[in-house]
Amino acid sequence: KQEVTQIPAALSVPEGENLVLNCSFTDSAIYNLQWFRQDPGKGLTSLLLIQSSQREQTSGRLNASLDKSSGRSTLYIAASQPGDSATYLCAVRRVTGGGNKLTFGTGTQLKVEL
Amino acid sequence: EPEVTQTPSHQVTQMGQEVILRCVPISNHLYFYWYRQILGQKVEFLVSFYNNEISEKSEIFDDQFSVERPDGSNFTLKIRSTKLEDSAMYFCASSPPGTFTYEQYFGPGTRLTVT
Repeated sequence: KQEVTQIPAALSVPEGENLVLNCSFTDSAIYNLQWFRQDPGKGLTSLLLIQSSQREQTSGRLNASLDKSSGRSTLYIAASQPGDSATYLCAVRRVTGGGNKLTFGTGTQLKVEL
Repeated sequence: EPEVTQTPSHQVTQMGQEVILRCVPISNHLYFYWYRQILGQKVEFLVSFYNNEISEKSEIFDDQFSVERPDGSNFTLKIRSTKLEDSAMYFCASSPPGTFTYEQYFGPGTRLTVT
């Protein structure tokens, strides 16, 4: 059974700092991995999707990497801003199964302070 | 930019009542999903739906749950007899056709409170 863990559970940084969020998964037979942002009481916004054959994806100040063999992904946020404050979730889709089921991690709650 | 929409945003119901949660996926998408998030816990997969049938469901999705695409735009989740433990945020998601990524786009959620 796939287990997805995110470290740290919470993180507080000053504005402008670069930071890394970590995601690990127990079963490396994944099809792809998605990073989401969740604001309090709101839905999930897809940030980046990495296919299992890719090593990284970039969007603006965000860069996600994937090391499938070691079961790890990182989300790098450059020059953090207060508007980046949110919970960040990673989710993996396994290779098998026709339903595209995503298994989510526990999330990292990020606070960027002025 | 097209979005997944969900109604209502908040539903309060009494234990044992039936509820229907509604979703309008992005218009050209063909894969549909329901997930839930109990307060303070992980987002959990409930069910996926493609070509008018369930393609996968979790152990949570028992006989009390059903899904339907009654017309070309809506996708619904019905809970026949709600329990206190069904209280959660329910998210609908959809994926477009013609890609190999099956990237999922989520709606804002419906908060279900069972009293």
